[in-house]
Amino acid sequence: GAGVSQSPSNKVTEKGKDVELRCDPISGHTALYWYRQRLGQGLEFLIYFQGNSAPDKSGLPSDRFSAERTGESVSTLTIQRTQQEDSAVYLCASSGQGAQPQHFGDGTRLSIL
Amino acid sequence: SQQGEEDPQALSIQEGENATMNCSYKTSINNLQWYRQNSGRGLVHLILIRSNEREKHSGRLRVTLDTSKKSSSLLITASRAADTASYFCATGWNNNDMRFGAGTRLTVKP
Repeated sequence: GAGVSQSPSNKVTEKGKDVELRCDPISGHTALYWYRQRLGQGLEFLIYFQGNSAPDKSGLPSDRFSAERTGESVSTLTIQRTQQEDSAVYLCASSGQGAQPQHFGDGTRLSIL
Repeated sequence: SQQGEEDPQALSIQEGENATMNCSYKTSINNLQWYRQNSGRGLVHLILIRSNEREKHSGRLRVTLDTSKKSSSLLITASRAADTASYFCATGWNNNDMRFGAGTRLTVKP
């Protein structure tokens, strides 16, 4: 498709399990972002990838969170040993280089039981 | 922090009325962006305004930017029930430092 695609759309898992969230950005977009959005709240920046540069990981809340991106394609966000406080919607966005609009996927709704 | 802060947190109006939302920020920026989010969906980009611009229009949307006051406003004219959504501003210099505020929840009653 032409937009940003995220999978799964919903994920329910037990506390302590690891989860992996996937983001397929728009083809040709060099920048990719992950955000966390708790219910009724704003967007919390997690991590930013730009081309082959070192990612900006300054928003990751703990070492249980990590993300990878292969070149300018798919990215995965991994949360290890999930906690109930990790329950949120995880949004991915991509954009072109420079000050450009971000294009968002519809997110993965993560629920930790 | 370059993070924008929207005001008010929530706004409820009747269909046909105008809706005005504001965004304030603390440090200098090179661009400010407004986004809309419908419930359960991702954000959709509305308008990007650069620091050397004062006003931009798109359909029923009008965005102003006052860099001396470090503030921006989003005006939606002749609102419709379909405009009901959360509206966010994002401020920064480039891709790597754009940060979003907590948003304004707009309800337009039919």
